[in-house]
Amino acid sequence: DAKTTQPNSMESNEEEPVHLPCNHSTISGTDYIHWYRQLPSQGPEYVIHGLTSNVNNRMASLAIAEDRKSSTLILHRATLRDAAVYYCILRDGGGGADGLTFGKGTHLIIQP
Amino acid sequence: DAGVIQSPRHEVTEMGQEVTLRCKPISGHNSLFWYRQTMMRGLELLIYFNNNVPIDDSGMPEDRFSAKMPNASFSTLKIQPSEPRDSAVYFCASSLGGAPRTDTQYFGPGTRLTVL
Repeated sequence: DAKTTQPNSMESNEEEPVHLPCNHSTISGTDYIHWYRQLPSQGPEYVIHGLTSNVNNRMASLAIAEDRKSSTLILHRATLRDAAVYYCILRDGGGGADGLTFGKGTHLIIQP
Repeated sequence: DAGVIQSPRHEVTEMGQEVTLRCKPISGHNSLFWYRQTMMRGLELLIYFNNNVPIDDSGMPEDRFSAKMPNASFSTLKIQPSEPRDSAVYFCASSLGGAPRTDTQYFGPGTRLTVL
């Protein structure tokens, strides 16, 4: 899977929007962009994924740059429960392993 | 659905002992994954199964580790003999399978293993 780059940590205030960036300059045309997060003392959980168009679900929005070399996970109104490590992962499924390749992720801190 | 179930949640053992971790995937899921998380190495894939068949075990650290999936409802990860460096949180995950680019994995709560 292609490599992603994320900031080590970010801090935000409760009830404010949060924009978590991810750079993936070597992304291929068939790579999907996935986001997972891991709350303290829990297993990772799926957040959202997309290919080219921006995506929305009940948890978050995913904004994908036109050249697809970067993307941003948007939490519209952060709560204390959103404090977690957020992982940006590329998946090609092209004959490689179906497992997820986790980087170091971004540790999101939410201040009350 | 109860989600992915792992047991035990915590395991403390002594070096040299055999350890068996257990996983029950979500009913109807065809793929099962074992991951390990440590502070030093983060989350890493150990092995995964499709339709009960091991597909890729290249992440298994060494011969002391083995994994089985005798049926669609159960998998084990065994470490024999265990060593202190095996101390980690072990996660099991399952997914519908079949579409790797868009497939969503559902993780269990993990087993925290401590080898003394």
